[in-house]
Amino acid sequence: GGIITQTPKFLIGQEGQKLTLKCQQNFNHDTMYWYRQDSGKGLRLIYYSITENDLQKGDLSEGYDASREKKSSFSLTVTSAQKNEMAVFLCASSMGQYAEQFFGPGTRLTVL
Amino acid sequence: QQKVQQSPESLTVSEGAMASLNCTFSDGTSNNFRWYRQHSAKGLEVLVSIFSDGEKEEGRFTAHLNRANLHVSLHIREPQPSDSAVYLCAVSPTGYQNFYFGKGTSLTVIP
Repeated sequence: GGIITQTPKFLIGQEGQKLTLKCQQNFNHDTMYWYRQDSGKGLRLIYYSITENDLQKGDLSEGYDASREKKSSFSLTVTSAQKNEMAVFLCASSMGQYAEQFFGPGTRLTVL
Repeated sequence: QQKVQQSPESLTVSEGAMASLNCTFSDGTSNNFRWYRQHSAKGLEVLVSIFSDGEKEEGRFTAHLNRANLHVSLHIREPQPSDSAVYLCAVSPTGYQNFYFGKGTSLTVIP
């Protein structure tokens, strides 16, 4: 088995601040994802990466950057935090694009 | 864009009674459907994946897919209090690499 680790678990930032969320997986999966989950809304895809150094935009990519420097890690940057950005950010990985996705426990973002 | 809607928003059942959750989607060519469970402060856990019309069973969890009716359901047999969680439906349209998620159904199982 494997595990997905997200850091930090809780992130508090100021409006306008640049914030980075990190995700690590030891499944040796090729594809990794970042989703945002707002209260009362479903998960929405921000970015995904098919392999190392690859980046693909999801439906919610505006206001975010992502980086896949190596196969096991995928980071997400909120370029300028906004008050309406309080949400849980979920990282996931899968062997391939159509394969089972395994999710991390999430990072809860609060913007003051 | 694919629309995925789940009903009911919340559901309370007694332990041992069948729990039924519904999901409708807008793209009838979708070919990949998943049900996830999310306990608070934990990641998502996949319960059932289904790819063709009919039924798919995984333990106490059964998914029913009817693409003509744009509907996929999840039935939980003999639910336990530990099944209390949010259940998410995810749908992937044909030719699209990723999934669209519903808002979820919050299930509470009373002992």
